[in-house]
Amino acid sequence: KQEVTQIPAALSVPEGENLVLNCSFTDSAIYNLQWFRQDPGKGLTSLLLIQSSQREQTSGRLNASLDKSSGRSTLYIAASQPGDSATYLCAVEGHRDDKIIFGKGTRLHILP
Amino acid sequence: EAQVTQNPRYLITVTGKKLTVTCSQNMNHEYMSWYRQDPGLGLRQIYYSMNVEVTDKGDVPEGYKVSRKEKRNFPLILESPSPNQTSLYFCASSPGLAGTYNEQFFGPGTRLTVL
Repeated sequence: KQEVTQIPAALSVPEGENLVLNCSFTDSAIYNLQWFRQDPGKGLTSLLLIQSSQREQTSGRLNASLDKSSGRSTLYIAASQPGDSATYLCAVEGHRDDKIIFGKGTRLHILP
Repeated sequence: EAQVTQNPRYLITVTGKKLTVTCSQNMNHEYMSWYRQDPGLGLRQIYYSMNVEVTDKGDVPEGYKVSRKEKRNFPLILESPSPNQTSLYFCASSPGLAGTYNEQFFGPGTRLTVL
């Protein structure tokens, strides 16, 4: 059964720093991995989606990488801003059963 | 505007009183799913549907039913709600082209309280 883990569970960094969020998964048979942002009490906003055949995707200050063989993905945020404060979630879509499994998220706080 | 809508956004009900949460998308997506989000447990998939008349159980299907009679709608039905179904519920849709570009779009959420 697929398990998705995100470390750390919470992170506080000063504004302007670059940071990396981690996501690992146990079953490499995936179609894709998607990173989301969730603000308190709100829905999920898609940030980046990486297909299983891709190594990375970039959008603005965000860069997501995927190493399917080792079951790992990272989300790199450059020059962090207070507006980046949110919970970041990763999710994988399984190749075997089309289920989508989420990690529990990393709660990020950018200190002004 | 491309979107996923859910109704109601907030609902307080009592144990055993049947309820339905509606979900609709206007993007002609094939794949739709329901999740619940609970503190400490994260988002868990309840049911998903690859297309009209095709539904499958996710990780936590007990106590829920779904139907997919039309492509755009995917209602979540709680026949006999219990307090342990108090949660924040999200509906999502994606193109359904597994193996290609399958970005998920989420609705705004429905906060359900079962007394």
